[in-house]
Amino acid sequence: AQSVSQHNHHVILSEAASLELGCNYSYGGTVNLFWYVQYPGQHLQLLLKYFSGDPLVKGIKGFEAEFIKSKFSFNLRKPSVQWSDTAEYFCAVLNTGGFKTIFGAGTRLFVKA
Amino acid sequence: GAGVSQSPSNKVTEKGKDVELRCDPISGHTALYWYRQSLGQGLEFLIYFQGNSAPDKSGLPSDRFSAERTGGSVSTLTIQRTQQEDSAVYLCASSSQRGTQETQYFGPGTRLLVL
Repeated sequence: AQSVSQHNHHVILSEAASLELGCNYSYGGTVNLFWYVQYPGQHLQLLLKYFSGDPLVKGIKGFEAEFIKSKFSFNLRKPSVQWSDTAEYFCAVLNTGGFKTIFGAGTRLFVKA
Repeated sequence: GAGVSQSPSNKVTEKGKDVELRCDPISGHTALYWYRQSLGQGLEFLIYFQGNSAPDKSGLPSDRFSAERTGGSVSTLTIQRTQQEDSAVYLCASSSQRGTQETQYFGPGTRLLVL
C-alpha cells in the first residue's frame, strides 16, 4: 500500500538555524507531492507543491522542497528559520492514477526565539 | 471567498451517544475528504467523495462511522455509539479535482471529546 514517511516527529531549532524535514513515499509511479503546514490555532494550509518540471519547488515564506525521484523523497528546507515557523508540517503524496492524497504523520517544529 | 466550514467547532458527548459532524465545502469543489487527527498522530484518511461517484470508504475505522454528501455539496459524518477512542479532531477538506493538480483546502475541524 502507498505510504508516506516523515522521519522526524519533533524538531527543535534556534532562530536562524537551517531546517530540513525528511519525507519519503512508497509509490513507484508518477506522483504529485505537497507540503502542508498547520500553525498553532490555524487551519491546515498548502505550503508548496510539485506536479512536474523543475524538481526544486519554492513555496511561501522562504520554504523550498526538492523532489528526488530516485530516492522517492521530497524533503522540505529553509535556510534560516524564524520563531513564526513554529508549526506542524505534513508531507502528502497523490499518485496520478489514484484519487486520494496520502499524508505523512507530521513533524512538529518548535523554533526557539 | 468563503472557505471550508465545519460545525460544530467543538462537541462533547457521552460514550454510546451518536454524533453528527457537518462540512460545507468551497462552492464548486467536487471532491470532499474527511480526515481524523488524533493527539500526536498524523492525518488519518476516513472517506472521499468525488462528484456523483461512489465514495471511497476505505479509511472508515469501523461500521459505526458513516458519511453522506447531499447534492454534491454539504457532507455529514456520523459516528454511532461513540467510544472514548473516537475523541479527535475531525477535518474536512475540499478540492476542485481538476486533472491531478489537486490542492486540498481544509476546514477548521470539529474537536470531538467522548467522555
